[in-house]
Amino acid sequence: GAVVSQHPSWVICKSGTSVKIECRSLDFQATTMFWYRQFPKQSLMLMATSNEGSKATYEQGVEKDKFLINHASLTLSTLTVTSAHPEDSSFYICSARDPVIGGANTGELFFGEGSRLTVL
Amino acid sequence: GQQLNQSPQSMFIQEGEDVSMNCTSSSIFNTWLWYKQDPGEGPVLLIALYKAGELTSNGRLTAQFGITRKDSFLNISASIPSDVGIYFCAGSSRAAGNKLTFGGGTRVLVKP
Repeated sequence: GAVVSQHPSWVICKSGTSVKIECRSLDFQATTMFWYRQFPKQSLMLMATSNEGSKATYEQGVEKDKFLINHASLTLSTLTVTSAHPEDSSFYICSARDPVIGGANTGELFFGEGSRLTVL
Repeated sequence: GQQLNQSPQSMFIQEGEDVSMNCTSSSIFNTWLWYKQDPGEGPVLLIALYKAGELTSNGRLTAQFGITRKDSFLNISASIPSDVGIYFCAGSSRAAGNKLTFGGGTRVLVKP
């Protein structure tokens, strides 16, 4: 399957600081990437859809000024958690659809390894 | 919005047993996917289903896309210790922009 990679895999930061997480599609180009958040023992919740060259679309209840998304190229999307607080501690996972494997009209997604954020 | 009910929430397996889990939806999906997630890692795609009634296998795994397009099941035959983990169903529909909706997960554990 297609390879999606995230960096860093884990990060610890102080409250009030900002943290950037990168998501890269390694062997394909992705015009759209998706950012999910997962709390312990819970399912994945979609936060936002990252669109290359345009603004991200956010799910209801997700603050766009809090979670800044930039999709500057066809292989890279970044999520910046601004002014992080302990309640932002979570497992953040990105995903992308490979148009060659999955096709533009299917829902098949490949996920990164995830980034665990701990805010002290 | 779309909701997926996945059951069971957790189950214990003994090596060699068959395992079954299923998902039901309040609305129709065009695609059903089954993922496995190990601790501290992202989900890994196991099986993708695209047509109502489709039955697909991947090694010891078998999944089916329900005829009504509102349900799917995953079977694991002759389970082995490495089958332990969390299994998620996920569905998408063109009407919802192909966004994935995830079930709550089935946590597969080994019998003590």
